[in-house]
Amino acid sequence: ESVLTQSPGTLSLSPGERATLSCRASQSVSSNYLAWYQQKPGQAPRLLMYGASSRATGISDRFSGSGSGTDFTLTISRLEPEDFAVYYCQQYGSKPTFGQGTKVEIK
Amino acid sequence: EVLLLESGGGLVQPGGSLRLSCAASGFTFNAYAMSWVRQAPGKGLEWVSTMSAETGNRHYTDSVQGRFIISRDNSKGTLYLQMNSLRAEDTAIYYCAKMRQLVLGYFEYWGQGALVTVSS
Repeated sequence: ESVLTQSPGTLSLSPGERATLSCRASQSVSSNYLAWYQQKPGQAPRLLMYGASSRATGISDRFSGSGSGTDFTLTISRLEPEDFAVYYCQQYGSKPTFGQGTKVEIK
Repeated sequence: EVLLLESGGGLVQPGGSLRLSCAASGFTFNAYAMSWVRQAPGKGLEWVSTMSAETGNRHYTDSVQGRFIISRDNSKGTLYLQMNSLRAEDTAIYYCAKMRQLVLGYFEYWGQGALVTVSS
């Protein structure tokens, strides 16, 4: 089972700034089967990215994903007020596992 | 529009049972694998179980294997999770999710969740 470690735990940024979130896997993620989700307080998670770099339906192009093997990155090019939330990565090369989350908060 | 509506949550004593339901609409239910994912209060996400669309294969995380049973009624467009021998650590919001790409793939759409509290 692949363990996913996200960093940092909390990212304090201002609107308009660039956010870079990291997700590191304990073993190589086959076929880049890596997804990212956004969760706001009191809401269900929402799919942002799949296949490491493909945006889900309706997701702004401010969001981009990259990486392969064991190291993956979610980048938010210019933070909008609605982007402040918790972000989770998830691998699906084997039984699904999630990272522990990165909170992006307003500085 | 894809809609997933969970029901059946509530308060149950340790050792008790509960059945969750998830009514799906807006897509061809019998063509997609479906899953349950849970989130303990203030914690992260944990995959619980997945059932394939066609073969009926079931998959479980180790901590619920032998206690939980996932099932589906394709004629009703409904997913179920029968939870037995419940423990305090099963307390969580349980989300129903539509899968994509692989049976054990990514979670394309999510319901709003059902809260299960295991406490005496």
